[in-house]
Order: sequence, then structure tokens, then C-alpha cells
Amino acid sequence: GAVVSQHPSWVICKSGTSVKIECRSLDFQATTMFWYRQFPKQSLMLMATSNEGSKATYEQGVEKDKFLINHASLTLSTLTVTSAHPEDSSFYICSAREDRGLTYSNQPQHFGDGTRLSIL
Amino acid sequence: DAKTTQPNSMESNEEEPVHLPCNHSTISGTDYIHWYRQLPSQGPEYVIHGLTSNVNNRMASLAIAEDRKSSTLILHRATLRDAAVYYCILNGETSGSRLTFGEGTQLTVNP
Repeated sequence: GAVVSQHPSWVICKSGTSVKIECRSLDFQATTMFWYRQFPKQSLMLMATSNEGSKATYEQGVEKDKFLINHASLTLSTLTVTSAHPEDSSFYICSAREDRGLTYSNQPQHFGDGTRLSIL
Repeated sequence: DAKTTQPNSMESNEEEPVHLPCNHSTISGTDYIHWYRQLPSQGPEYVIHGLTSNVNNRMASLAIAEDRKSSTLILHRATLRDAAVYYCILNGETSGSRLTFGEGTQLTVNP
């Protein structure tokens, strides 16, 4: 159980293109999903917290107009990288927190397999 | 956010137990101790979490010190598939349930 599916797994596109990444919780409902970015040889950096039915909360330094997040249902969140440039090339990973009726910190997060984005 | 300290790397032999340490001396009373691992080119994978008592699941055991200032993730019999970066993360009210990943411990498993 607790599977998170992320699509696509990799994408290569030209500079200036907008790219949409989907994150789905397959067998559980997730009120909250998270988006991370990971550069080579570095750790994961949280970009934003996505709550179903409301606006996402972005971490300091992350441009909300650049990285559009939509969380329209309890099983789907999307990240759109708008007008992508080579410096946006990275490994993007989503996670979903199971809502087991426990305190948030007592619940695991389950991660997708990531999307490798390469902007030429 | 309360920080954790882990060794940069550790080595183990296949089929032997592995003890991965984590120090968190500034842990608050409501912080849960979470462990995740990341295999190459994959997203992280949840391993285990706990608050005060030791925890066991099918993947690992988590031993938490009585003063909660340190913990140890125990892999009972390492396999080559356990080679990964292991992250010890405190998750509590002060973090707003957001996970802050540090550098983790790179575990190498020798055949």
C-alpha cells in the first residue's frame, strides 16, 4: 500500500517550454502533498507544500509564478514549471502524506520516483 | 528546525547487521524521529519512525535513547539492495510537518 505515482519519469524539452509533472496517490487520500527539487550530489530541497483545495505554500526563495502548483483532488497534485530554462534542469520529487487521523508529525510521507527534467 | 547529525558514510558487509546512528540533541518533546532512505535515481522511501519507544517493522528497527537525544536505525541483515543514503529527520510541530533533508549517511554494502 501507500503508493505514489509520478509522471513523467523524465522529460527533455527546449528552453521556454512549460512542463507539467503529475503526482498521484494511488491507494490513499492525501490532503497534503509536497514538492522537492534535488540537484546532482545534493540533498532534497523542499519547494512547496500543496494542500487540497487551497493555495500552495512556497518555501523562501521559490518563485510561485515560476512553479505553479495545483492540488485539485485528494489524490492528484501537479507542478508546472513555466517557461523553463536550463537552470531549472533538476530532479523533481513529490511526496504525499497519509492522513491516518494522527498528528501530522506521526504520519509517514510516501514519495514518487521523481521526474528528471532536462532543459536544452 | 531541530537538526540531526549523521556520519557522512558507513560500510557494511552483506548479511551482517548495520547500526546507523543519528544525534539530535535539540529535539523537542513533540518531535517524531523519522528515517527515510534514497536509492540512486529514485525518490526517498519511508523506513520507520518513532517518538519515545523502540519501533520495529519489516524493514528495520529504530532504537531511541532514553533522553531522546540520539537514535539508531538497525538493519538486521544488510543486503546489496540496502545500499542507499539514509536520512534521519525530526518531524514535529515546529517544522509544520515539513521534512527537512540533511546530507544523510551513504551506506555501502560489500558483497
